[in-house]
Amino acid sequence: EVQLVESGGGLVQPGGSLRLSCAASGFTFSSYSMNWVRQAPGKGLEWVSYISSSSSTIYYADSVKGRFTISRDNAKDSLYLQMNSLRGEDTAVYYCARADYYQGLEDWGQGTLVTVSS
Amino acid sequence: DIQMTQSPSSLSASVGDRVTITCRASQDIRNFLAWFQQRPGKAPKSLIYAASSLQSGVPSKFSGSASGTDFTLTISSLQPEDFATYYCQQYNSFPWTFGQGTKVEIK
Repeated sequence: EVQLVESGGGLVQPGGSLRLSCAASGFTFSSYSMNWVRQAPGKGLEWVSYISSSSSTIYYADSVKGRFTISRDNAKDSLYLQMNSLRGEDTAVYYCARADYYQGLEDWGQGTLVTVSS
Repeated sequence: DIQMTQSPSSLSASVGDRVTITCRASQDIRNFLAWFQQRPGKAPKSLIYAASSLQSGVPSKFSGSASGTDFTLTISSLQPEDFATYYCQQYNSFPWTFGQGTKVEIK
């Protein structure tokens, strides 16, 4: 069974930093691209970032480019999102999601809440 | 960026009804279109990929279709567990983009 478990969320002040983690199990992590998707309270889904299986290809949404960094450690079956210069509009539940080229965002974690507020 | 326009934004339906939700892409996405279901307080769940292929384990009452840049999700015979918000999403090109969602409520 595929499992994706996010952690690292919490309350942070504007301008602060936070590192999210996503622990993967139940599949060969190193064979899949991974993504972060977020959802602000009461709002829709917003794709945030993509990383290929070997980390050779990375994409970001314009809203986070230059502030967020996605990375992965295939030896630890883990995905990360380093978030710097956080703003109030970054407040959201952050989901990690496994992606397949043809099937898209197949599996999602339960999410971790990030609140940016003073 | 590719815009995904989803309609309606909400609808009321009764148990047993057939429901149709549409999504229009602002340009060709080669059927790289997915549909997700999200129940309150839960993570999204993938229902359909490649516009019309059912994800493993998803009941056949869900179906998807495509016509050019117009896409449709149909739920036949709505059940209580189907009352949720549904999103379309294109994964043809980055940035991946979602529709604004359709909330299906009980009439």
